[in-house]
Amino acid sequence: QVQLVQSGAEVKKPGASVKVSCKASGYTFISYYMHWVRQAPGQGLEWMGIINPSGGSTSYAQKFQGRVTMTRDTSTSTVYMELSSLRSEDTAVYYCARGHIVGTTYNWFDPWGQGTLVTVSS
Amino acid sequence: QSALTQPRSVSGSPGQSVTISCTGTSSDIGGYNYVSWSQQHPGKAPKLMIYDVSKRPSGVPDRFSGSKSGNTASLTISGLQAEDEADYYCCSYAGTYTWVFGGGTKLTVL
Repeated sequence: QVQLVQSGAEVKKPGASVKVSCKASGYTFISYYMHWVRQAPGQGLEWMGIINPSGGSTSYAQKFQGRVTMTRDTSTSTVYMELSSLRSEDTAVYYCARGHIVGTTYNWFDPWGQGTLVTVSS
Repeated sequence: QSALTQPRSVSGSPGQSVTISCTGTSSDIGGYNYVSWSQQHPGKAPKLMIYDVSKRPSGVPDRFSGSKSGNTASLTISGLQAEDEADYYCCSYAGTYTWVFGGGTKLTVL
């Protein structure tokens, strides 16, 4: 079955960077886009960006431009999200979610990874 | 990219129908037929319930339906069941390969 498994919880100090991984299985990795979405404690979902695992192209939300980098490793079917210059407001659960098929356009977020809690604290 | 506007909460009794609205602009909801709705139970990852305004993924009950008029999308849940109690998030494509979520609506089944 299609499954996304994310890396474990992280605790970081302000100003540091964090890199979260999302390993895909059960489907052809390079055929589907991957989204990253975060959720601060008690808050709603916030779209961060998307990566095309086939060519590696990315698109980021304006809010995170310059601070976020999404990459992929096709040999291990893994996508990564790195967020730099962390501040306390970045404390959140970070999710990866499979998007639509490459070469098509539709609004698809499924399945989701289990989430990775990133805590930013001095 | 401003978040889409959803009511903070809605409620209904078992067996009743409820509708959750999601208001955006002509740059997102009004400009594309790419609206999705996801359900999230406490402490769990979201689950896709509706995509492309009104399509249901395999396995989602037909009690869940979606629609759109102008800059507003809606999710209707008919025949409410206790397990429908959750947070619901709308999401729209916003052009140039960007997406935007709504603030979320807490559904309470009375």
